[in-house]
Amino acid sequence: SQKIEQNSEALNIQEGKTATLTCNYTNYSPAYLQWYRQDPGRGPVFLLLIRENEKEKRKERLKVTFDTTLKQSLFHITASQPADSATYLCALSPRGDNLFFGTGTRLTVIP
Amino acid sequence: KAGVTQTPRYLIKTRGQQVTLSCSPISGHRSVSWYQQTPGQGLQFLFEYFSETQRNKGNFPGRFSGRQFSNSRSEMNVSTLELGDSALYLCASSSFPGVSGELFFGEGSRLTVL
Repeated sequence: SQKIEQNSEALNIQEGKTATLTCNYTNYSPAYLQWYRQDPGRGPVFLLLIRENEKEKRKERLKVTFDTTLKQSLFHITASQPADSATYLCALSPRGDNLFFGTGTRLTVIP
Repeated sequence: KAGVTQTPRYLIKTRGQQVTLSCSPISGHRSVSWYQQTPGQGLQFLFEYFSETQRNKGNFPGRFSGRQFSNSRSEMNVSTLELGDSALYLCASSSFPGVSGELFFGEGSRLTVL
């Protein structure tokens, strides 16, 4: 069956460290993979998109990698801040039609 | 510019009733998609509309339906509500159909079915 698994339900890290979130998928061949941030009671907010032929994308303190052989994407937040505390969602699309979401990782950055 | 607007933000219904949720996309966006978010299943795709036509539909029963108007505003309807329909319903808009670009989500409509 098709699955999208995000490494852990919750992740706590110290302020200033790099947070690394993992997204593993099975039985998908995604053309696109996206990462979103969601705060409690709010809708998801787009962060980054990476295509199947791309290995890495960066945006300010954010970096995402995409390994189609390992069927895995890693999402990094460098120099993390308490304001980065949120749930991060991985989402992929096989044909560019719609997104299939993982269940998310709740990140807490401790001051 | 204004973001995606969803109304109502909160509503309570009883089993067997029907509900209509509304979504106004970002100005100029012609694609609107709907997602259901529950603690158990996470975010699941319901359907997408582009230029008043349904382009794609997720794996939900026929009780879930939607439409899009000529001004790109969209509505979704759930008939014969069940307890399991309690969820946050999210609408997202984009300039182009599909997900090759960024989706802009609204704050959602939280439906509670008693």
